[in-house]
Amino acid sequence: QKEVEQDPGPLSVPEGAIVSLNCTYSNSAFQYFMWYRQYSRKGPELLMYTYSSGNKEDGRFTAQVDKSSKYISLFIRDSQPSDSATYLCPLSRPFSGGYNKLIFGAGTRLAVHP
Amino acid sequence: SQTIHQWPATLVQPVGSPLSLECTVEGTSNPNLYWYRQAAGRGLQLLFYSVGIGQISSEVPQNLSASRPQDRQFILSSKKLLLSDSGFYLCAWSEWTGHGYTFGSGTRLTVV
Repeated sequence: QKEVEQDPGPLSVPEGAIVSLNCTYSNSAFQYFMWYRQYSRKGPELLMYTYSSGNKEDGRFTAQVDKSSKYISLFIRDSQPSDSATYLCPLSRPFSGGYNKLIFGAGTRLAVHP
Repeated sequence: SQTIHQWPATLVQPVGSPLSLECTVEGTSNPNLYWYRQAAGRGLQLLFYSVGIGQISSEVPQNLSASRPQDRQFILSSKKLLLSDSGFYLCAWSEWTGHGYTFGSGTRLTVV
């Protein structure tokens, strides 16, 4: 079983729709949760970061973490064509030396059409 | 502010040729440094990480090696490239805690 699972998509939505992107994970040792956005042929960029269960909002983006279900979500309100990208949900867990390691899933490709 | 530079952006190399990709970070000291590879349609795979000069840890056995000759410089190398080394290579840095990685713009390597 992969440590982090995402539906690869593609997910295609019309402009203005509410988008829901989801990840599940298997290891309860994960402590920190992030969402990255990666445009085609570019490096990933950090969107949001949280370490607790519950919701965290930043503009049109809301990250939701449910540690009991090992389930995390990213909601995008009023989606725009510029949101078209691959969304990654790496999870962070401790590894040897006291440092944290990011474990990535395959990412979900989102296409927002005008 | 901190910036990360990675080059070249694209590279086409013949099988059996050597490889050297360079990554530098500015605006911070003693960062953790990472090399990832991303195959088409797949997630990021951690190849190497470094917590200090000369300290390199390898995550997976492979045809590649990494070096950190200076605090903010990280180099990915190979003596002889294989077709399977093709992919998108990303350098990243983080503070010592390892949270919130910042990625470079990536190098698309095609081995022909």
